[in-house]
Amino acid sequence: GEDVEQSLFLSVREGDSSVINCTYTDSSSTYLYWYKQEPGAGLQLLTYIFSNMDMKQDQRLTVLLNKKDKHLSLRIADTQTGDSAIYFCAESTTGNTPLVFGKGTRLSVIA
Amino acid sequence: DTAVSQTPKYLVTQMGNDKSIKCEQNLGHDTMYWYKQDSKKFLKIMFSYNNKELIINETVPNRFSPKSPDKAHLNLHINSLELGDSAVYFCASSHDYSSGYGYTFGSGTRLTVV
Repeated sequence: GEDVEQSLFLSVREGDSSVINCTYTDSSSTYLYWYKQEPGAGLQLLTYIFSNMDMKQDQRLTVLLNKKDKHLSLRIADTQTGDSAIYFCAESTTGNTPLVFGKGTRLSVIA
Repeated sequence: DTAVSQTPKYLVTQMGNDKSIKCEQNLGHDTMYWYKQDSKKFLKIMFSYNNKELIINETVPNRFSPKSPDKAHLNLHINSLELGDSAVYFCASSHDYSSGYGYTFGSGTRLTVV
């Protein structure tokens, strides 16, 4: 079955760039997503990338996809304290299969 | 104007009780889901429901049962609650299983079984 892996913790200084990494196993992935969860809240879709793309940029966010290595990353430029949250990588595949989420990376931003 | 709403937000109950969590979406989506988030923040799919087709994660105990009175609602009923059921339960909806729009999540129901 599908499996999505992420490192659990990342700590960065305010103003630095953050890079959160994710690997997945299912080669039939169609879309890959990044969700953000702030304390006590639900998951908010940050960005997504279609599997035939290798890069997507949206303001401070850059998503890189290496389909050969099944590796996805999220770069947050000029990280702010408001970016402190848990970031989940997720993949969808063809057919009636719900999103599979990674375990989430807790990003801590130090002022 | 809430997109996916869940009630209640908090639920504290005793072991052995039966409880329900309600979920409603006003996005016109065709597919709805229940996810469970444990104390380590890991998210696992429990159920998905699309056009009267229910897909169940085989690891979910049969004490859990989803009920969908219409396309906009997917409620979660839990019988004989156990301590291990304590978690945050998220409802979500989407146009279909795989799309660039992703899923829209509710704000979660924190269930505590004592």
